[in-house]
Amino acid sequence: GESVGLHLPTLSVQEGDNSIINCAYSNSASDYFIWYKQESGKGPQFIIDIRSNMDKRQGQRVTVLLNKTVKHLSLQIAATQPGDSAVYFCAERGRNSSYKLIFGSGTRLLVRP
Amino acid sequence: GAGVSQSPRYKVAKRGQDVALRCDPISGHVSLFWYQQALGQGPEFLTYFQNEAQLDKSGLPSDRFFAERPEGSVSTLKIQRTQQEDSAVYLCASRVAGGREGYTFGSGTRLTVV
Repeated sequence: GESVGLHLPTLSVQEGDNSIINCAYSNSASDYFIWYKQESGKGPQFIIDIRSNMDKRQGQRVTVLLNKTVKHLSLQIAATQPGDSAVYFCAERGRNSSYKLIFGSGTRLLVRP
Repeated sequence: GAGVSQSPRYKVAKRGQDVALRCDPISGHVSLFWYQQALGQGPEFLTYFQNEAQLDKSGLPSDRFFAERPEGSVSTLKIQRTQQEDSAVYLCASRVAGGREGYTFGSGTRLTVV
């Protein structure tokens, strides 16, 4: 299959371990953030989102942390599984836009069995 | 359908050829977006429709790029006189009006200009 990204930063973790993927966003005025997962040959798939009035949001096996002071976003995946292997993108949306997402450059997660 | 459908899945075009990429959004989704994703990069915004109205086309890289959604459902992205730098995956996404969960993306069309 085609590769989403050949030269992306790569995080390699052992199956069952926790994963932390980091993202620095660019616009201090952004008020909404989303993490997407993209498998090879597929479009980005929504994982979890967070608004700027929150510091933390939890989903099933995933947690997003937002640090507005340093414009940093992280995605934590608990008990990483082989099916979690993919490229992960953070995306931000500006306060003045209700629709336009600006994506980061992505991180490839490899899960070792 | 259950998801956003894009066709063709792959397109190889000779430099200078015109291409048309199709997007079938999720039924009832008012908003439709086109993004361009170069290899190894995150998607970049091209254009936005609300129903049939193209409200933002600020991301279209040149006047060779044209998008339409004449009946507020299916959309077509057309690229005229393709050039090698147009090679990328073209992603379509849709959402309900004011949807919180961002967009639902299709699998994209991979365009290769040779």
